[in-house]
Amino acid sequence: AQTVTQSQPEMSVQEAETVTLSCTYDTSESDYYLFWYKQPPSRQMILVIRQEAYKQQNATENRFSVNFQKAAKSFSLKISDSQLGDAAMYFCAYRINGNNRKLIWGLGTSLAVNP
Amino acid sequence: GAGVSQSPRYKVAKRGQDVALRCDPISGHVSLFWYQQALGQGPEFLTYFQNEAQLDKSGLPSDRFFAERPEGSVSTLKIQRTQQEDSAVYLCASSLAWSNSRGAEAFFGQGTRLTVV
Repeated sequence: AQTVTQSQPEMSVQEAETVTLSCTYDTSESDYYLFWYKQPPSRQMILVIRQEAYKQQNATENRFSVNFQKAAKSFSLKISDSQLGDAAMYFCAYRINGNNRKLIWGLGTSLAVNP
Repeated sequence: GAGVSQSPRYKVAKRGQDVALRCDPISGHVSLFWYQQALGQGPEFLTYFQNEAQLDKSGLPSDRFFAERPEGSVSTLKIQRTQQEDSAVYLCASSLAWSNSRGAEAFFGQGTRLTVV
């Protein structure tokens, strides 16, 4: 069975500093996607960044980047120059690239940004 | 519309009452998903539609849960005889993706918070 594990229920970072959120997953598939979603108090899931498993290059989106270690099944998110608006729940998610695109989610990490 | 719209935003139901939750996906989106997110948890998959066809309902927790998308656009998640353990946020997402295409981001609505008392 595919699982996603986020081992850090809560994290905090000082404004303008860098923080890394951890995620590990378990799968026997070779073709899949990994995602980081942000969920603010409004509850709407917002896609932060995604990584295709067949791409060796780590994805980056402005201040957000990932460290994708396929052999170790690790997918961490680095947030640089943290801003107050980055405070939210962050969820790591996985899906196979097949007919069913359902996402499998971790339990989330609550990120606080201190001014 | 501009995004995925869910209604109502909040619903309080008495135990045993039936509820219906609505999802308006982004126009033209083929795929539609329902997820259940209990307090302090990550979302759990409930069901998936491709157009009007319900291709996967393996996540529906019991036969009290029923989802439909009769015309391939708006979807309704119905919960019969609600119980306290049904209290959760119900998230809907849609995407452009066809079954054999790569990529295609899933866009989420703001969810419906259901509280069963």
